[in-house]
Formats: sequence, C-alpha cells, structure tokens
Amino acid sequence: NAGVMQNPRHLVRRRGQEARLRCSPMKGHSHVYWYRQLPEEGLKFMVYLQKENIIDESGMPKERFSAEFPKEGPSILRIQQVVRGDSAAYFCASSQEDEQYFGPGTRLTVT
Amino acid sequence: GENVEQHPSTLSVQEGDSAVIKCTYSDSASNYFPWYKQELGKRPQLIIDIRSNVGEKKDQRIAVTLNKTAKHFSLHITETQPEDSAVYFCAASMSGYSTLTFGKGTMLLVSP
Repeated sequence: NAGVMQNPRHLVRRRGQEARLRCSPMKGHSHVYWYRQLPEEGLKFMVYLQKENIIDESGMPKERFSAEFPKEGPSILRIQQVVRGDSAAYFCASSQEDEQYFGPGTRLTVT
Repeated sequence: GENVEQHPSTLSVQEGDSAVIKCTYSDSASNYFPWYKQELGKRPQLIIDIRSNVGEKKDQRIAVTLNKTAKHFSLHITETQPEDSAVYFCAASMSGYSTLTFGKGTMLLVSP
C-alpha cells in the first residue's frame, strides 16, 4: 500500500518563476491537506481539499498561491512569482478519517 | 481559531530515562490530538493519537494523557533510546476531516 507521494522532492526556482508541487494521496484517501514548514519551525496549515473542492483555504496567502485537487490526478499547489520568503518545505497529508499521513515533502529553494 | 502551545522546546535525557512533552490547546471544541515524530529531513510520522472520549492511551513505550478540563495533553516516552531522538509535534483538531493546528515542536535528544 503506497503511502502519500510528493514530487518533486527538491525544487529550485529563481525569483519570479512559478513553482508547481504535486501530491498523490494514499490509496482510498479522498482528503488532502497542504502544510508549510519553515526551517526549525512547526507545520502551518495552508489548504484542505477534497476531490474538485476546496474545503478550507484560510491558511493560504491570498495572492500568488493556489491549490487544486482534480477528479483525476494529483493535488497541485501552485506558487506564482516566487519570492525568497517562499523557501520552505511543503508537506501534503491525506486522510480517510481523523488520522493524517504525510508525504515526504517538497523542499523549495528560491534563489 | 485554535492555538496550541508546546513545552519544552528542547529536551535532553540520558538513555533509559523517561521524557515528557506537554501541550495546551485553546479551543474546547477540539477533540482529536495526534503526536508526530519528525527526524531530520524526513516526513512527520504519526506515532500515537488520542480522542477526547478517553483520558489515556498507551502503545509500548509511548503513552499520551489528556485532561479536557484543563485543556492539556502530554506525551510520555519511557526507557528512551538514541533512536527516539527527533523533533516531536503535538497537534489538535476537531475530528471528522478537520485541519490540524500544530505546536512548535520539541527537539528530543537522547544521549547514550
């Protein structure tokens, strides 16, 4: 039973470029959550999605950030016009009930 | 919204000692409290969780206690081993597909 998959594992972008992060939930899970972790800090909630629906995006910056979870394919977190402050580890988690299981993360570096 | 405080931020123990990490939460509606272990450069891993209908849960060397009245919960690790060294995060949410609010983490170092 494959766990939560994320790719790429590492992503380097120059300021102003777009970053696209992908997350495939565990088999049988229909709920996806995205979290951001800054160096030596905790995990901050960004957005919660079900298939084709955004349930809660209260943790996501209003500008430059968007997320989707289409009927087919992985969930995608998109960051447009990246800035140095976007450098962080981005984790997604999936759940079927209460328990959330995390993917390995995407480490974004903005140069 | 929910706010979770976690203490201590760092904890050093000798191998074989016990370690206790404490968290408090603010929203009395929260009823699901998981604990995650994160090794350097790795994903957070769910190690134990507790729901508000019980006061204590144990799994081998790990136990979690919950005091709903005081709104705090704790992680207890007995007979610590060097491989227990990691950052531990507590979290709180309302059960049934709800987002997690995390504490800031405790770096546990177990010395041989």
